[in-house]
Amino acid sequence: SQKIEQNSEALNIQEGKTATLTCNYTNYSPAYLQWYRQDPGRGPVFLLLIRENEKEKRKERLKVTFDTTLKQSLFHITASQPADSATYLCALQAGSYQLTFGKGTKLSVIP
Amino acid sequence: GAVVSQHPSWVICKSGTSVKIECRSLDFQATTMFWYRQFPKQSLMLMATSNEGSKATYEQGVEKDKFLINHASLTLSTLTVTSAHPEDSSFYICSAREPRDTGGYTFGSGTRLTVV
Repeated sequence: SQKIEQNSEALNIQEGKTATLTCNYTNYSPAYLQWYRQDPGRGPVFLLLIRENEKEKRKERLKVTFDTTLKQSLFHITASQPADSATYLCALQAGSYQLTFGKGTKLSVIP
Repeated sequence: GAVVSQHPSWVICKSGTSVKIECRSLDFQATTMFWYRQFPKQSLMLMATSNEGSKATYEQGVEKDKFLINHASLTLSTLTVTSAHPEDSSFYICSAREPRDTGGYTFGSGTRLTVV
């Protein structure tokens, strides 16, 4: 069956360091992979989308990589700040509009 | 950016009653909206796809008679939880495709439903 795994339920990191979050998937051939930020009691907020034929995408302090051979995406936040503390969700999209989400990784950036 | 407004943000209801949740796209039209449910520490699970002017498409295992979806206009979709039970208590979130060509989706702020 299709499976999306975000490697850590929680990740603590010191302010200023680079946070790296992992998303692995099996039995899936996504056309797109998306990353969202979710704060407690709120809906997700779209951050970045990367296509299957793209290796890397950047937006300000964010960087996403996509390796369809390894079936893995890495999400990096450079120069992390306490305001980056949130749960980050990986979502796969096969081609239709539907998204399939991972459980998320709760990132805590410690001052 | 595009905004999806969702109301109410939280609601408490008694078992057996019905609750309606509204999802509005502000400043853009959404022919398709999506309804998700999220349990604590779990991923968002797609419940149904709401299509303006036609019937919603429900995911496997979601009872369409229990979760009534109406998408009567290009800016409004509603989800009604009928005959609510405590196990329906959850966080319900709607979304629509962003009108900008980012490929992403914009989500409502969610509704915390507690059935007592």
